[in-house]
Amino acid sequence: EPEVTQTPSHQVTQMGQEVILRCVPISNHLYFYWYRQILGQKVEFLVSFYNNEISEKSEIFDDQFSVERPDGSNFTLKIRSTKLEDSAMYFCASASAGSSYEQYFGPGTRLTVT
Amino acid sequence: LAKTTQPISMDSYEGQEVNITCSHNNIATNDYITWYQQFPSQGPRFIIQGYKTKVTNEVASLFIPADRKSSTLSLPRVSLSDTAVYYCLVGINTGGFKTIFGAGTRLFVKA
Repeated sequence: EPEVTQTPSHQVTQMGQEVILRCVPISNHLYFYWYRQILGQKVEFLVSFYNNEISEKSEIFDDQFSVERPDGSNFTLKIRSTKLEDSAMYFCASASAGSSYEQYFGPGTRLTVT
Repeated sequence: LAKTTQPISMDSYEGQEVNITCSHNNIATNDYITWYQQFPSQGPRFIIQGYKTKVTNEVASLFIPADRKSSTLSLPRVSLSDTAVYYCLVGINTGGFKTIFGAGTRLFVKA
């Protein structure tokens, strides 16, 4: 069964550093998403991406965040200058055009900012 | 976006049927109801989606009354491995839109 993959599984970085979280969505999917989940809290929507542009973004997704689909397979989330409060699990998800309501989530990247 | 209300937690025993109800009083005409499951340290997993009446798949059933102001996820004969958080989401049935997860219902299945 095809699946969404994410790398790295765990990233530790120092405050102020830039990080890039990588995702490989399912190959024929057209809708892509990033979410985050702070430990013990709910899943929070960050951004959705379709047709090479952002469809929607939340208030969390401010200027320090950016997304990119640099090639036909990867989907990345960049955090420019990390803060302690960015420590969370980051999930990538993708959905097909035919079943766009059914999002497939990756295993997540645990980001720890020290 | 319609606000959803679910019980914070539920307990059950193996082999029982579990029903989790979600309230969404201000659901819009174009909104669908979707349920996800999340195990610890994993991403959410799609369970089922519906618009009205009843939907059933190999995992669960979803009951939606005529006024659509609530919905009930039914898990038949739960096992220990069904212990997870279950999220009810309400929103437009197309991709690319904001997907808002609530606090979810933490289901604990006991032996």
